[in-house]
Amino acid sequence: TQLLEQSPQFLSIQEGENLTVYCNSSSVFSSLQWYRQEPGEGPVLLVTVVTGGEVKKLKRLTFQFGDARKDSSLHITAAQPGDTGLYLCAGVPGTYKYIFGTGTRLKVLA
Amino acid sequence: NAGVTQTPKFRILKIGQSMTLQCTQDMNHNYMYWYRQDPGMGLKLIYYSVGAGITDKGEVPNGYNVSRSTTEDFPLRLELAAPSQTSVYFCASSTRQGNYGYTFGSGTRLTVV
Repeated sequence: TQLLEQSPQFLSIQEGENLTVYCNSSSVFSSLQWYRQEPGEGPVLLVTVVTGGEVKKLKRLTFQFGDARKDSSLHITAAQPGDTGLYLCAGVPGTYKYIFGTGTRLKVLA
Repeated sequence: NAGVTQTPKFRILKIGQSMTLQCTQDMNHNYMYWYRQDPGMGLKLIYYSVGAGITDKGEVPNGYNVSRSTTEDFPLRLELAAPSQTSVYFCASSTRQGNYGYTFGSGTRLTVV
C-alpha cells in the first residue's frame, strides 16, 4: 500500500514567519500535487511537480519535488493569515487514482 | 461554469436510514471519484468511475454504492447508515490520467445519529 506522510500535522505561526511542510513516501510517483483546503470547501489544486528535483514558485509558495520522486516540500515565505488552511499533498502513481497525504493544518495568526 | 456540484451540503441521518449524495460536473470529465474525509485524516477513496457505465471500488467501499449512467452524474448511495459513516464526503472529477489534477466539489457533511 502506498502511503504519503505529511509533517508537521499542525502548525500555528505568526504572520510574517516562514515555514516548511514535508510530504514523504517510500514509493516513487510520476508526479506530485499540492492542494489547499479551506474550511467548508473542497481541496483546490495549487501546483503539480513532475520532474525529480523540480522547483516551482507560486508567489510566496515554493514547491520542490525530491530527486528520487518520493518526497516533496512546500515552503511559505512571510506567511499571511490568508494562507491558513489544510495543505494536502497527492502522489500520482501514473494512473488516475491519486494517493493523498495525511494533511498539514496551518494557522497563521495576525 | 459550475465545476463539480454536490448536494446536500449538510445532512443528519438516523441509524439504519438510507440516502443518496448527489454529484454532478459540467466539465465533460471522464473520471469521477468519491472520497470521505474524517477529522484529522486525509482523503480516503470510496468509489471511482472512468466513464459512464464503469465503476470500481476504492479503499473503503463497504456500506456504499454508486452508479454512473451519464458522464455528468455520479451519485453515492448509503444503505443502512451507521455512525462510522459520519464524515465529510467529497466528489471530484478529472479530465484524464496523470498530472491534470482533480476538481473537487464543496462537500457534504453527514452525521449519523
